[in-house]
Amino acid sequence: NAGVTQTPKFQVLKTGQSMTLQCAQDMNHNSMYWYRQDPGMGLRLIYYSASEGTTDKGEVPNGYNVSRLNKREFSLRLESAAPSQTSVYFCASFRQGGNQPQHFGDGTRLSIL
Amino acid sequence: AQTVTQSQPEMSVQEAETVTLSCTYDTSESDYYLFWYKQPPSRQMILVIRQEAYKQQNATENRFSVNFQKAAKSFSLKISDSQLGDAAMYFCAYRSPNTGNQFYFGTGTSLTVIP
Repeated sequence: NAGVTQTPKFQVLKTGQSMTLQCAQDMNHNSMYWYRQDPGMGLRLIYYSASEGTTDKGEVPNGYNVSRLNKREFSLRLESAAPSQTSVYFCASFRQGGNQPQHFGDGTRLSIL
Repeated sequence: AQTVTQSQPEMSVQEAETVTLSCTYDTSESDYYLFWYKQPPSRQMILVIRQEAYKQQNATENRFSVNFQKAAKSFSLKISDSQLGDAAMYFCAYRSPNTGNQFYFGTGTSLTVIP
């Protein structure tokens, strides 16, 4: 059972370049999320998708776009990367109901020069 | 947005000893769920323990237990018989069924285990 799979694991970009982070889950979860993790700031929500076909902004959406391609896949796109977007990015999924936790991918370390 | 506060950026504990990590949250809800996640150097986010607000009994998972004080909005994690493998960043998280499917995380506590 793969759970939540993120690709790539590491990436270095130059300022102004674009890229898409991929995320897929095989647990049939309805909700998916993108977070960024910076030292001393915990996990901050960028965008989330409560269900297939819907997306909503989180705490720090500026500079990012997302696509919920289908129930399994939720991608995060940086159109014009900036050094301030250097971070570790996590994708997570959630099966709605009760005390269910989020399930996380292994993260993508993104450096923007 | 809900606020989750972890006031201890760093903690240390001697191997085999007990340590308590603190977490407080701000909410007006009566029904919600609380979680502790562990993030070792491998960067994985691993669920440690969860608690439902409607349950008075504190959750326990082997050497990990919580002290849930609903009135005080406090949710501390106790690690007993600390092991070297417990060294990690620990995050407290909150979810309310009334605010959709959003989870709110604290800023984390970095735990060092001293041999």
